[in-house]
Amino acid sequence: QSALTQPASVSGSPGQSITISCTGTSSDVGGYNYVSWYQQHPGKAPKLMIYDVSNRPSGVSNRFSGSKSGNTASLTISGLQAEDEADYYCSSYTSSSNPWVFGGGTKLTVL
Amino acid sequence: EVQLVESGGGLVKPGGSLRLSCAASGFTFSSYSMNWVRQAPGKGLEWVSSISSSSSYIYYADSVKGRFTISRDNAKNSLYLQMNSLRAEDTAVYYCARVDSGSYYVGDYWGQGTLVTVSS
Repeated sequence: QSALTQPASVSGSPGQSITISCTGTSSDVGGYNYVSWYQQHPGKAPKLMIYDVSNRPSGVSNRFSGSKSGNTASLTISGLQAEDEADYYCSSYTSSSNPWVFGGGTKLTVL
Repeated sequence: EVQLVESGGGLVKPGGSLRLSCAASGFTFSSYSMNWVRQAPGKGLEWVSSISSSSSYIYYADSVKGRFTISRDNAKNSLYLQMNSLRAEDTAVYYCARVDSGSYYVGDYWGQGTLVTVSS
């Protein structure tokens, strides 16, 4: 069982917006502004999409945005494109014995 | 161009050992912390171990503590993971990932991964 809770799947049509949630506790998501999001296409390495809740690394499309409220972080993808179809994982720094925890992942399907 | 290339994976029997390597290029390796992250077949990501730029700080997941040892050689731009007493549940693709100093994400660049299979 993953430390952070994500929906198993979400879907949307091209051009639409979707939001993926990531729920933790006050020891991880709620306690630090250190939530990051990763995109992973089948058979490929994860790619950093968002760090520190809402910051985008250089080269990541501004269609990707992040936010946080309490113990829940969210990743929003606007203007969905076919190439956005992938698995998405959230991660948070945590005060537990393991400094980083991941969510179980969300499969995004672009209809 | 930043590149991370893992190697050393393979098939090993339960109780056996394996040493993974991660060769880094395209950046000043000695300035970055590094992480190992694994992904069991069809499963999610799991952080395994971290090492600071000068090896001063080392951390392990509870699931591998006492069995795995992370190390690095900054002169060779290389990261290592010595895995002992391997179990079936250690079967996974192992990724190395780069972390900028003072950052709290798991990795901004990742290697392509190396598969470790623990089976008799």
